[in-house]
Amino acid sequence: KQEVTQIPAALSVPEGENLVLNCSFTDSAIYNLQWFRQDPGKGLTSLLLIQSSQREQTSGRLNASLDKSSGRSTLYIAASQPGDSATYLCAVRGGETSYDKVIFGPGTSLSVIP
Amino acid sequence: DAGITQSPRYKITETGRQVTLMCHQTWSHSYMFWYRQDLGHGLRLIYYSAAADITDKGEVPDGYVVSRSKTENFPLTLESATRSQTSVYFCASSEKETQYFGPGTRLLVL
Repeated sequence: KQEVTQIPAALSVPEGENLVLNCSFTDSAIYNLQWFRQDPGKGLTSLLLIQSSQREQTSGRLNASLDKSSGRSTLYIAASQPGDSATYLCAVRGGETSYDKVIFGPGTSLSVIP
Repeated sequence: DAGITQSPRYKITETGRQVTLMCHQTWSHSYMFWYRQDLGHGLRLIYYSAAADITDKGEVPDGYVVSRSKTENFPLTLESATRSQTSVYFCASSEKETQYFGPGTRLLVL
């Protein structure tokens, strides 16, 4: 059974620092991996989606990498800002047509201190 | 307004009562989903729908019923609410692979 973990559970950094969030999954047979952001009391917003054939995706100050063989993905945030404070979740999709195999990690709560 | 909306945003009910959570999207996305989010369990898929009149179970479907008579609506019904169904419920929709989430419904079952 696919299990997704995220380390650390919480992170507090000063503004301007570069940081890395980690996502690990136990079954490397994935279709894609997606990173989401969740603000308190709100829904999830998609940040980046990486297909299983890709190694990384970039959007602005965000860069996500994928290493299927080791079951890892990282989300790199450059020059962090207070507005980046939120919970970041990764989600792994196991099959091309099977939405019931989308497994979410527990999230990393990020605080960026001005 | 365009997007995906959920109602009510907050709901308190008692055990044994029937509760329906509503989800509406304006994009005409084919796929719609219901998740619950709980501390210690993260987000778990309850039901999903690939199109109108097509629904399928997710990871935790017991105690829930869904329907999809129209593409834009995907209501979730708790037939007889239990305390274990206290949670935050999120609806999502997608056309291709990116999912778009609603703001959530906080449900408390007393």
